[in-house]
Amino acid sequence: AQSVSQHNHHVILSEAASLELGCNYSYGGTVNLFWYVQYPGQHLQLLLKYFSGDPLVKGIKGFEAEFIKSKFSFNLRKPSVQWSDTAEYFCAVTSYNTDKLIFGTGTRLQVFP
Amino acid sequence: EPEVTQTPSHQVTQMGQEVILRCVPISNHLYFYWYRQILGQKVEFLVSFYNNEISEKSEIFDDQFSVERPDGSNFTLKIRSTKLEDSAMYFCASRQRGGDTDTQYFGPGTRLTVL
Repeated sequence: AQSVSQHNHHVILSEAASLELGCNYSYGGTVNLFWYVQYPGQHLQLLLKYFSGDPLVKGIKGFEAEFIKSKFSFNLRKPSVQWSDTAEYFCAVTSYNTDKLIFGTGTRLQVFP
Repeated sequence: EPEVTQTPSHQVTQMGQEVILRCVPISNHLYFYWYRQILGQKVEFLVSFYNNEISEKSEIFDDQFSVERPDGSNFTLKIRSTKLEDSAMYFCASRQRGGDTDTQYFGPGTRLTVL
């Protein structure tokens, strides 16, 4: 069965620090990859997605992610975080034969001024 | 920007009672989903719905659960006889056919508390 792993459960950073959140998935076929963000008290919002093409995808709010097929990874990065990036971040995947999203456990990011 | 909406935001019920969670998907979307997140756990897929029928469901989605699109705008999740372990945040999502075909847009969720 497909699964998604997010190894960083809780990350604490100071403003202006760089961020990288890990995401690995366990499906060998064609996948679509997503990062969603959930700000405190708000709903899940799409940050960015990868379907095909350039493996480096740029999303909203200065986030980017790189799909490395050989490593089954889709890590999220931001060069300089802000206090407003404090949120929970979820990696998710769908595959060619299903459109259900398989989520990772999420990473809670806290950014201190 | 159009959004998925859900009501109520918080529902408290007694074990064994029926609950109906309501969602209004984005108006031109054709694919609908329910997910849930038990506190401290992953967001889990429950069911997908297209063309007035279930297209996929998880093992969580047993006979106690049902979904319906009663009037062309609402999409509901019914739990017939709630259990303590049904306490969770329930998220509705919708997806447009064509264009941005594989992006699901989520609602704010309904927190269900079963006592």
